[in-house]
Amino acid sequence: DAGVIQSPRHEVTEMGQEVTLRCKPISGHNSLFWYRQTMMRGLELLIYFNNNVPIDDSGMPEDRFSAKMPNASFSTLKIQPSEPRDSAVYFCASSLRGLRYEQYFGPGTRLTVT
Amino acid sequence: AQTVTQSQPEMSVQEAETVTLSCTYDTSESNYYLFWYKQPPSRQMILVIRQEAYKQQNATENRFSVNFQKAAKSFSLKISDSQLGDTAMYFCAFIAGTASKLTFGTGTRLQVTL
Repeated sequence: DAGVIQSPRHEVTEMGQEVTLRCKPISGHNSLFWYRQTMMRGLELLIYFNNNVPIDDSGMPEDRFSAKMPNASFSTLKIQPSEPRDSAVYFCASSLRGLRYEQYFGPGTRLTVT
Repeated sequence: AQTVTQSQPEMSVQEAETVTLSCTYDTSESNYYLFWYKQPPSRQMILVIRQEAYKQQNATENRFSVNFQKAAKSFSLKISDSQLGDTAMYFCAFIAGTASKLTFGTGTRLQVTL
């Protein structure tokens, strides 16, 4: 298996632009997670899907952030409009059985908003 | 609220030696799950070990083992026969049985030296 795939690996954009991060979970996994990692706040869970349905989005920082999972093999995290404080590494992870079991992380997308 | 504390921001160990990373947590729940994740310079998060609170036996994975002290709410990671490839950030993580959010500690940066 190729593991969790994220694209792009790096994204540099200007403040105010829309940013879309993409994730392909491991085939057969029914849970998908989006995390943000910064020096100041560490690793934070943004949103969690189970069987393509959002279960908990309380970690999404603002309405500028939205996430979708149209099918079992694809998810997006969108930031519109982006701001410099959104600069971070965004990880996608998937799991066979949810938060209480091993999560397999993707390589992350390093986002820089100037 | 769930909290996870890693009190050692940085540690260093010589190759082949043993090192212990500390983690404490706070919860009022009796059923929960604990994890240690490793993040090497490549940035990818990798599960090292997982412990279920109801299991009294300490989890072990090859050179990695935990000392789970439920009464003290302590979950330390012991790395035996340290290898250069163990150089990484190590994150302790916790989720209560009824929660939908995985909480990560701030991490311990481990450097393995020759």
